[in-house]
Amino acid sequence: DTAVSQTPKYLVTQMGNDKSIKCEQNLGHDTMYWYKQDSKKFLKIMFSYNNKELIINETVPNRFSPKSPDKAHLNLHINSLELGDSAVYFCASSQFVSVTGERYNEQFFGPGTRLTVL
Amino acid sequence: GQNIDQPTEMTATEGAIVQINCTYQTSGFNGLFWYQQHAGEAPTFLSYNVLDGLEEKGRFSSFLSRSKGYSYLLLKELQMKDSASYLCAVREVNAGKSTFGDGTTLTVKP
Repeated sequence: DTAVSQTPKYLVTQMGNDKSIKCEQNLGHDTMYWYKQDSKKFLKIMFSYNNKELIINETVPNRFSPKSPDKAHLNLHINSLELGDSAVYFCASSQFVSVTGERYNEQFFGPGTRLTVL
Repeated sequence: GQNIDQPTEMTATEGAIVQINCTYQTSGFNGLFWYQQHAGEAPTFLSYNVLDGLEEKGRFSSFLSRSKGYSYLLLKELQMKDSASYLCAVREVNAGKSTFGDGTTLTVKP
C-alpha cells in the first residue's frame, strides 16, 4: 500500500553505463517529479510531468531522459553515467488542482534511490 | 526565478522552542511549504501557508508574511526525534513547480 515507490533503492554502477530508475504512485495524482539531492543535501528539481506531459525541465544534461507512460509512472533513464551523477534521486507526486479547485500541491515523496557511480 | 534563504544549522535543547526562518524572493508567489527530512529518508510534508498569518498544527506552527517575503517554522516542546533537516519550499504562480531552500539541519540535544 506504498503511496510512492521507487526501484531500485540502491544502484551502484560504473562510469559510462546507462541505468534507469522507476517510480510509481498509487495516490491518483496527476503530477510527478524527479528531484536530485546531492551530498550536501540540496534538493533540486529536475523534471515534472502533468498528465504525462513534461511541464518542468530544469537545466539538466540531456543524458537524463524522463519518460511517463501513464499518470501513475515516471521513469528516469540516465545515459553515460558520470561521477557527478552520484546522489539520491527522489520521485514525488502531487495533485495539480484539488477536487475543490485549490492548488494545494503538497508533494508526496518516494523513499529515494541512492545512485553511486564508480 | 526564486531565491530562498534558510540558516544552515541550528541547535536547541529538548523541551525548548525553536524558530526556523525562511526568506524568499519570487516573481510570482503562490504558496509556501515546510517539509521535514530525517537523515536517510524522504522529505515529508509539515505545513502550508498561502495567506498571511499563523497556521498551527500540534507542536508545529508556520507563519507567513507575503509582503516581507518571510516565513518561519516554530517547533514547540522539542523532542529528540525532531532532529532533522527542515526544508522551506516556495511555489510559483505556475503551480507545477516548487523550489526548495537548502534546508536547515536542526539538532536537538538532551
